[in-house]
Amino acid sequence: ETGVTQTPRHLVMGMTNKKSLKCEQHLGHNAMYWYKQSAKKPLELMFVYNFKEQTENNSVPSRFSPECPNSSHLFLHLHTLQPEDSALYLCASSQGTSGNRELFFGEGSRLTVL
Amino acid sequence: KNEVEQSPQNLTAQEGEFITINCSYSVGISALHWLQQHPGGGIVSLFMLSSGKKKHGRLIATINIQEKHSSLHITASHPRDSAVYICAVRSGNNNDMRFGAGTRLTVKP
Repeated sequence: ETGVTQTPRHLVMGMTNKKSLKCEQHLGHNAMYWYKQSAKKPLELMFVYNFKEQTENNSVPSRFSPECPNSSHLFLHLHTLQPEDSALYLCASSQGTSGNRELFFGEGSRLTVL
Repeated sequence: KNEVEQSPQNLTAQEGEFITINCSYSVGISALHWLQQHPGGGIVSLFMLSSGKKKHGRLIATINIQEKHSSLHITASHPRDSAVYICAVRSGNNNDMRFGAGTRLTVKP
């Protein structure tokens, strides 16, 4: 298995549920990212991890909680979400975080909050 | 106003046509990326460039740093080229990549 793998691909949850999105990369990269893509809006950076350390939290509400246990795995824990949080959540990885690094994206997890 | 503007927002073409998608940005950049997003959601990096021109198969990307403008061209377009094409720029060495809203391309047979 190669590349960046996200699970689940689709998730429907109620506002009181707790769920998690998982991302795994098999590229030997040391940086991982969560992005949010809402309908008809540009991608928004949520979190960045470099060597398992969070280096960026882009003013994301606390109902989104990231976890990076190692350089290959990244989670996004979700609790008490709002319907406006429904979006495509994309994970990406890169080799380092310098300016000209290339990002490799997963297929995304499409979240619907009822 | 978004720092990265793409045009057109939507584009429909007949198979075989030459396609141009434009991207203008308002910040200083270290690199510009062209990405392709298929209906399933996954994103693939097509090009990363900081000057000049790059070519890969039927795809060509150009950038004019002075004018802060980039174009993505597709020659001999095919229905399988139908996707959303996204322009993204990175400023300096930080983590912040700014994305355009995307251009939805539909190529009809």
